[in-house]
Amino acid sequence: AQSVTQPDIHITVSEGASLELRCNYSYGATPYLFWYVQSPGQGLQLLLKYFSGDTLVQGIKGFEAEFKRSQSSFNLRKPSVHWSDAAEYFCAVEGNYGQNFVFGPGTRLSVLP
Amino acid sequence: DVKVTQSSRYLVKRTGEKVFLECVQDMDHENMFWYRQDPGLGLRLIYFSYDVKMKEKGDIPEGYSVSREKKERFSLILESASTNQTSMYLCASSLGQGNNSPLHFGNGTRLTVT
Repeated sequence: AQSVTQPDIHITVSEGASLELRCNYSYGATPYLFWYVQSPGQGLQLLLKYFSGDTLVQGIKGFEAEFKRSQSSFNLRKPSVHWSDAAEYFCAVEGNYGQNFVFGPGTRLSVLP
Repeated sequence: DVKVTQSSRYLVKRTGEKVFLECVQDMDHENMFWYRQDPGLGLRLIYFSYDVKMKEKGDIPEGYSVSREKKERFSLILESASTNQTSMYLCASSLGQGNNSPLHFGNGTRLTVT
């Protein structure tokens, strides 16, 4: 069965600092991987996705993520964090043609001015 | 842009009431999903549907049922609401089987059962 871990429950960074959120997955075949962001009281918004090809994928809001098969990881990065990036971030894996999404527990990001 | 609309942002219901949560998507997606989200537990799948009148149980279907009479609408029903069903409920849709498309979420319904 698929599973997703996000080792960091809560991360605090200063505005302008770089950010890396970790995601590790367990899946037997080629995974389809996603990062979502959730602002307080809102639904989840897709940041980026990886299906195949280039292992470094670009998303919205200046985010990128790198798929590393050897490490079963799909870490999310941003070179310079803005105060509006404060939110909860979810990594997800899908392996059944759009019917079986498994989400990680989420990482809450706080941004200091 | 895909739009997934949940009919209510906030609901307050009494224990034992029958509760309907409605979700509509406007992109002709085949798959629709209902999740609940609780602090420390993340997103848990309640039910999903891959076609009209078709449904599959997710990880936590107990106490819930669903209805999909039309492709664009997926309803979650709490037959007899209980306080442990107080939660944030998220509806989502995706393109369909054989298409590796992401989930598109609504803004959620925060349900409080008193």
